[in-house]
Amino acid sequence: GAVVSQHPSRVICKSGTSVKIECRSLDFQATTMFWYRQFPKQSLMLMATSNEGSKATYEQGVEKDKFLINHASLTLSTLTVTSAHPEDSSFYICSARGTGTSGTYEQYFGPGTRLTVT
Amino acid sequence: GEDVEQSLFLSVREGDSSVINCTYTDSSSTYLYWYKQEPGAGLQLLTYIFSNMDMKQDQRLTVLLNKKDKHLSLRIADTQTGDSAIYFCAEGVRANDYKLSFGAGTTVTVRA
Repeated sequence: GAVVSQHPSRVICKSGTSVKIECRSLDFQATTMFWYRQFPKQSLMLMATSNEGSKATYEQGVEKDKFLINHASLTLSTLTVTSAHPEDSSFYICSARGTGTSGTYEQYFGPGTRLTVT
Repeated sequence: GEDVEQSLFLSVREGDSSVINCTYTDSSSTYLYWYKQEPGAGLQLLTYIFSNMDMKQDQRLTVLLNKKDKHLSLRIADTQTGDSAIYFCAEGVRANDYKLSFGAGTTVTVRA
């Protein structure tokens, strides 16, 4: 299957600072990338959908000014958690969806980023 | 609407077959997926099936789809200790641009 990377894998930051997480599709072009949040022992919660070159679409209840998403190229999307607080501590996972007849329906996930805000 | 449900836990003996069940609600043009998540890791796409198919087999994995009952199952033959993980069922519907709706995940524990 296709490979999606995330960086960093773990990050610890102080309350009030901002953190950027990168998501890259390594061997395919991703017209659409998704950002999820996962709480311990729970399923994935979709935060936003980003399409290359356009503004992200946020799910209801997700603050767009707090979670800034940029999808600058077909292989890179970034999520910036601004003014982080302890309640933002979570496991953030991105996924990427390719183009083409079969690629459109295959969504590949990154390894996740563990964010801890102290 | 989209609502995906699956049982939360499954314990299986090594070498036996595992069957993980899932129900979904949307009967329109739909893709149904199985993902595997190991501790601290992302999701690995195992297999997927389109809603006009009945079955798909890939090595030790068999997916069965009962469209009438909107029931999806994943069978893992000859279950190994490395199969211990959380398995997520997900649905992608054309009307929602194939954004995935996930079940709660089934924790599979393989015992020796």
